Amino acid sequence: QVQLQESGPGLVKPSETLSLTCSVSGGSIDNYYWSWIRQPPGKGLEWIGYIYYNGIINYNPSLKSRVTISLDTSKNQFSLKLNSVTAADTAVYYCARKLSGWFDAWGRGTLVTVSS
Amino acid sequence: EIVMTQSPATLSVSPGERVTLSCRASQSIGGNLVWYQHKPGQAPRLLIYGASTRATGIPARFSGSGSGTEFTLTISSLQSEDFAVYYCQQYSSWWTFGQGTKVEIK
Repeated sequence: QVQLQESGPGLVKPSETLSLTCSVSGGSIDNYYWSWIRQPPGKGLEWIGYIYYNGIINYNPSLKSRVTISLDTSKNQFSLKLNSVTAADTAVYYCARKLSGWFDAWGRGTLVTVSS
Repeated sequence: EIVMTQSPATLSVSPGERVTLSCRASQSIGGNLVWYQHKPGQAPRLLIYGASTRATGIPARFSGSGSGTEFTLTISSLQSEDFAVYYCQQYSSWWTFGQGTKVEIK
């Protein structure tokens, strides 16, 4: 059974870049879409974007100007970069596998706080 | 953007009771709806996709129904392990989620 785990700094300063990595185990990255989703404290879930194993990418239009998602198939990992962060980007960030229209496997999430 | 609205925000229930959670879409999404279960510190778990199809390994006490703008998740007899937050998500146009319904012990 595929497992996903997020990793990265838990604290990022305003205006800097948030960087997270998702490690995929128990299955290959090939032939799937891989996504990032976040949940600010007390708010709902927000889809950030996805990358297909062949490199096709799609981002939430509301975040598109600041987001980069990339893939490292040799390490079975994919990554998220969000630049020019503000306090509004404080959230639990989840990585997930997208199957058709839904997300069938998720990581446990990692809290990233934006603060000086 | 399609807005998903869940109700109620919190539901206090006793084990063994039947539970009905609602999810409404701001415009018609056909049957393009998913339900997830989320417990603190755990990864969210896919329950239902296509509005009514149970995901692999999901017990039969979970059922989904609805189409268009109104959807329901029913738990026929609530078990202790079912206390969690439940989210709906649409995939008709991009991917948006509801705010969640917390099912807590009464």
